Amino acid sequence: EVQLVESGGALVQPGGSLTLSCAVSGFTFSNFEMNWVRQAPGKGLEWISYISSRGDSILYADSVKGRFTVSRDNAKSSLYLQVNSLRAEDTSLYYCARGGFRYLEYWGQGTLVTVSS
Amino acid sequence: DVVMTQSPLSLPVTLGQPASISCRSSQSLVYSDGNTYLNWFQQRPGHSPRRLIYRVSTRDSGVPDRFSGSGSGTDFTLRISRVEAEDVGIYYCMQGTHWPPTFGQGTKVEIK
Repeated sequence: EVQLVESGGALVQPGGSLTLSCAVSGFTFSNFEMNWVRQAPGKGLEWISYISSRGDSILYADSVKGRFTVSRDNAKSSLYLQVNSLRAEDTSLYYCARGGFRYLEYWGQGTLVTVSS
Repeated sequence: DVVMTQSPLSLPVTLGQPASISCRSSQSLVYSDGNTYLNWFQQRPGHSPRRLIYRVSTRDSGVPDRFSGSGSGTDFTLRISRVEAEDVGIYYCMQGTHWPPTFGQGTKVEIK
């Protein structure tokens, strides 16, 4: 069974940093592209980042470019999102999703990042 | 960015009756490879999104056949032939043809 489990969300002050993780199981992680998508409380979905299966191609939404960094460790079957210079508008549930950015085929349950003083 | 516009935003339906959600894109979603990367997602209350349909009309494994997708170019539709109680939630269309991928605002399906 495909499983994606996010962790690392927390309450953080504006300007702060966090590292989000996504641990996967049930498939060969190194064979798949991955993404991060976020959802502000009560709002819609926003794609924010993509990483290729080997990590050699990375894309970001303009809203997070320069502040967020996606990476992966295929040996550990894990995806990461380093989030820096956090703003109130970054408050969201952050999901990892398997597949190319055209597809987003499987999603985790999300981890909540709250940015507030 | 490609703007995805869904209608209606709220859809009260009677159990057993059909439902239809429209999704329109600001640009054609036909990619250079000939495919149209239009997906539909279901988000049940308190749950993460689940993909129902990809490339306009292909149902994901395990998705009931009462769900169907159609359309082309800039105009797409998700249909539920007979709404069941478990279909309550928010439905999103998403385009993956143009970068960055973008979602519609969501359509909330509820039972009358």
